[in-house]
Amino acid sequence: NAGVMQNPRHLVRRRGQEARLRCSPMKGHSHVYWYRQLPEEGLKFMVYLQKENIIDESGMPKERFSAEFPKEGPSILRIQQVVRGDSAAYFCASSPSGTDTQYFGPGTRLTVL
Amino acid sequence: ILNVEQSPQSLHVQEGDSTNFTCSFPSSNFYALHWYRWETAKSPEALFVMTLNGDEKKKGRISATLNTKEGYSYLYIKGSQPEDSATYLCAFTPYSGSARQLTFGSGTQLTVLP
Repeated sequence: NAGVMQNPRHLVRRRGQEARLRCSPMKGHSHVYWYRQLPEEGLKFMVYLQKENIIDESGMPKERFSAEFPKEGPSILRIQQVVRGDSAAYFCASSPSGTDTQYFGPGTRLTVL
Repeated sequence: ILNVEQSPQSLHVQEGDSTNFTCSFPSSNFYALHWYRWETAKSPEALFVMTLNGDEKKKGRISATLNTKEGYSYLYIKGSQPEDSATYLCAFTPYSGSARQLTFGSGTQLTVLP
C-alpha cells in the first residue's frame, strides 16, 4: 500500500506566479489535510477536505489560497500570485475517516524567488 | 488559540540510555493526542494516537502515557539507539464538531550518541 504521495517535491516560482501542489492520499483514505511549515516554525493546519467538500478551512489565508479534493484525482492546494512569504514546506496528510491517525506525505518545498 | 508545548526542546543521550519527554495540552475539550516521529527529509511517522485518560500505548522500545485531566502526555524510549535520533512531535485534536485538525507542538529533537 503506497503511502501519501505529494508532487512536486520541490517547486520554484517567481513572485506573482501560481503554485499548484498535488496530494494523492493513501488508498482507501477519503480525508485529506494540508499543513504548512514556515521557516523556523512548526507544522500549522491549513485545511481539511473530504471528497468534493471543504470541511474546515480555518487555517487557510483568506486570499490567494484555495484547496480542492475532487471526486477523481488528487487533492490540489493552489496558491495564486505567490509572494516570498509563501516559501515553506507544505505537507499533506490523509486518513480513512476523520477520527483516525493522519498519515503524512513527504511534503512539497516551495521556494518563491 | 490552542497551546501545545513540548519539553525539552532538544536532548542528547548516550546509546543505551532511557529517556522521556513531555507534551502539555489544553485539558478542556479534549478529543485525541497524537505522537509522531520525524526524521530529517522524511515524512512525519505516526507513532500513537490516544483518546482515553490513562491510555498507555507501546511500540517496541517506545511507549506513551496520557493524562487528559491535567493535560499532559509522556513519551518514553527505553535503551535509546542512534536510529532513534529524530524530532518527536505531539499534536492535539480538540473536540470540535467535524473538524479534526492537529495542533502541533514545536517538537523535541533527540540525538542519540553512539
